[in-house]
Amino acid sequence: AQSVTQLDSHVSVSEGTPVLLRCNYSSSYSPSLFWYVQHPNKGLQLLLKYTSAATLVKGINGFEAEFKKSETSFHLTKPSAHMSDAAEYFCVVSAANTDKLIFGTGTRLQVFP
Amino acid sequence: EPEVTQTPSHQVTQMGQEVILRCVPISNHLYFYWYRQILGQKVEFLVSFYNNEISEKSEIFDDQFSVERPDGSNFTLKIRSTKLEDSAMYFCASSGWSGGLQETQYFGPGTRLLVL
Repeated sequence: AQSVTQLDSHVSVSEGTPVLLRCNYSSSYSPSLFWYVQHPNKGLQLLLKYTSAATLVKGINGFEAEFKKSETSFHLTKPSAHMSDAAEYFCVVSAANTDKLIFGTGTRLQVFP
Repeated sequence: EPEVTQTPSHQVTQMGQEVILRCVPISNHLYFYWYRQILGQKVEFLVSFYNNEISEKSEIFDDQFSVERPDGSNFTLKIRSTKLEDSAMYFCASSGWSGGLQETQYFGPGTRLLVL
């Protein structure tokens, strides 16, 4: 069965420093992987997605993620954090032969001035 | 930019009452979904809907739940007799389909349901 594990429930960074949010996946086939962001009292917004094209995926707001099959990882990075990046981030995998999405437990990103 | 909308944003109800959560998917999308997120827990899939019928549902989606597309724009989730444990944020999503591949699911802002 497909699953994702987000290795950190909370990450705190200073504004202007790099962001790394870690995600490992488990899948018996070549998965589609996503990162969604949820700002307080807002819905889930797609940051980026991987669908077996380029392994380095660029998303909105300067975020990118790299699909590493050998490590079964799909970590999210940003070179320089901004205060507005403070939110909950979800790593998501699409399930095999279905259209449902399977969510990780989320990582809350705090950005300090 | 097209977006999924949901109403109401918040709903408070008494245990045992019926609630209907409403969603307007993106207009050219054909696939519709409901997910929920109990406070402090993962976002969980409830049901997917295509061509006026349920295509998949989770174990959570029991006989107390139903979905409907009553007209060409709305997609609803009904809970017939709410329980305390139904308290959650409910997200609607929609997607298109292209070349045999599911397109990205776009989510609405959610309805926060509180059952007292």
